[in-house]
This record gives sequence, structure tokens and C-alpha cells, in this order.
Amino acid sequence: NAGVTQTPKFQVLKTGQSMTLQCAQDMNHNSMYWYRQDPGMGLRLIYYSASEGTTDKGEVPNGYNVSRLNKREFSLRLESAAPSQTSVYFCASTPNRRQGSEAFFGQGTRLTVV
Amino acid sequence: GQQLNQSPQSMFIQEGEDVSMNCTSSSIFNTWLWYKQDPGEGPVLLIALYKAGELTSNGRLTAQFGITRKDSFLNISASIPSDVGIYFCAGRRSNDYKLSFGAGTTVTVRA
Repeated sequence: NAGVTQTPKFQVLKTGQSMTLQCAQDMNHNSMYWYRQDPGMGLRLIYYSASEGTTDKGEVPNGYNVSRLNKREFSLRLESAAPSQTSVYFCASTPNRRQGSEAFFGQGTRLTVV
Repeated sequence: GQQLNQSPQSMFIQEGEDVSMNCTSSSIFNTWLWYKQDPGEGPVLLIALYKAGELTSNGRLTAQFGITRKDSFLNISASIPSDVGIYFCAGRRSNDYKLSFGAGTTVTVRA
């Protein structure tokens, strides 16, 4: 059982380049999330998807777009990467919206924008 | 999500010591969670708390849900080298299923 799988694990981009971070979960979870982690700032929510077919902005959505392709997959796209988007990105999923739905995280994507 | 105030930011501890860290918020939460992140990995859930006053253990770890519902603490007893990592608190409010995270406590153990 793989849980939450993110690809790639590492990426270096030039400013202005675009890329898509992929996330898939095999736990039949309804809700999925994208976070970024920066030193001393914990995990900040970028976008989330409460269920298949819906997406909503989190705390720091600017510069990102997302697609909930199906129940398993939730991708994060950077259309024009900026150095401020250098970070570690984590995808997470939860079974449902109710209390007790604790988040399971992927291993992260380490992105550097130069 | 609203950031939680987590302290201390970092700690160096001696193997065998007991340590504590805590998390506070200006808002009421109905769920408190504690995660651990090992280097190069994603956070892994350690303990989940759902009721004010609840005290829950997981091996050498003990966490409590504060009575005011605005705070939580985590204790690690008899530290060992594998306790190294970053510990995050997270909370969820009653009308929101999204999690808010603290900035993390980095734990380093001296052998």
C-alpha cells in the first residue's frame, strides 16, 4: 500500500518555466491538499480539493493552479515559476471532511527556482 | 489556515531526558494533532486528540488537549537518538476540516 505518492522528488527550474507536480493516493480518500513548507513557517495550505470535481484556494494560492483529475489524483501547476516558489511541496489526503479525518502526507517534492 | 504558535522553536536534549513542547492558538479547536517529520520525509501522525482535557499516549509520547481548547502539549519521555526530527502541532476548528499547522519544533538529541 503506497499511500500518497508524489512525483518528482526533486526539481530545479529556471525563473519563468512551468511545471506540474503530481500527486496520487490509493487509499480511496475524498479530500486532497497541497502544502508548501518553508523554514520556520510550518506547512501552509496552497489549494485543496474537498471531493472529486471541486477545488478551493488555501492560504497561499497565488502563482499556482490545481486540477483534481479524478478521485486519486491532484496535481499542482506552476505556470511561471519564481524564486519565491522555492520550497518543499507536500501533498496530503484525508478520508472525508468530518472530525477524525487525519491527513496522510506524501514524501514531498523539493523545488528550487533559480 | 491560521498559524498556531508552537514552542520552543528548537531544542537540544540529552539522551534519556524527558522533553515537552506546546502549541497555542487564539481560536478554539476541536481537534489537535501532533506530527513528526524525519529528514527528507513527509510528516507522520503521532497522536490525535478530539476532546478537551483528553490525555493520550503512544509509546513514550504523551499529548494533551488543553481544557480551554486553545492549546495542546506533547511530552517525549526517555529520549533516544531516533527522536530527532521536526515535530508539528496541527489543529482543526469545528466548522472547518482544513488543518492549521504550527511552525514546528526541531529536536536534536545528544548521544
